[in-house]
Amino acid sequence: EDQVTQSPEALRLQEGESSSLNCSYTVSGLRGLFWYRQDPGKGPEFLFTLYSAGEEKEKERLKATLTKKESFLHITAPKPEDSATYLCAVRGNSGNTPLVFGKGTRLSVIA
Amino acid sequence: DVKVTQSSRYLVKRTGEKVFLECVQDMDHENMFWYRQDPGLGLRLIYFSYDVKMKEKGDIPEGYSVSREKKERFSLILESASTNQTSMYLCASSLEAGYIQYFGAGTRLSVL
Repeated sequence: EDQVTQSPEALRLQEGESSSLNCSYTVSGLRGLFWYRQDPGKGPEFLFTLYSAGEEKEKERLKATLTKKESFLHITAPKPEDSATYLCAVRGNSGNTPLVFGKGTRLSVIA
Repeated sequence: DVKVTQSSRYLVKRTGEKVFLECVQDMDHENMFWYRQDPGLGLRLIYFSYDVKMKEKGDIPEGYSVSREKKERFSLILESASTNQTSMYLCASSLEAGYIQYFGAGTRLSVL
């Protein structure tokens, strides 16, 4: 069974204090790993897809990386507007099955 | 841009009522999904549909049913609402089941 574990559950940073969020996964043949951002009271918003180990994607202060067992979302010099819950999801090799989501990391950036 | 529209942002219903949550997508996607999201439990898949009139149970289908009469519309039905169905409900659509999912804004349902 495909599984996704995100850590930490919550992270509090000072503005400008860089850090990383972790997404560990167990999947039978990774066909894609997805990062989403979710603001309070809203639906998740797609950020990145990674397909193979060594791949990296960047968007503003965010960079996602992928290894064979985990993905990191690096946040460089965060601002208060980066505060949100970040969700990770994977697609395995098991036919026409939906994404499997982690429970998310709740990030707070304090000015 | 993909647009997934959920008919209500907030709903308040009474125990025992029949509740309909509607979702419409405008990108001709084959797959549509219903999730509920609760603090500490993350996103949990209720039902999904990979074609018109087709449906598949997710992880927590009990107490729910769905309807997909047209490709763009996917409805979640609570046959007899209960207090433990108070939650945030999220609809999503995707080109393929295991591909990027695009979410609606969510419906916060309170059952009293």
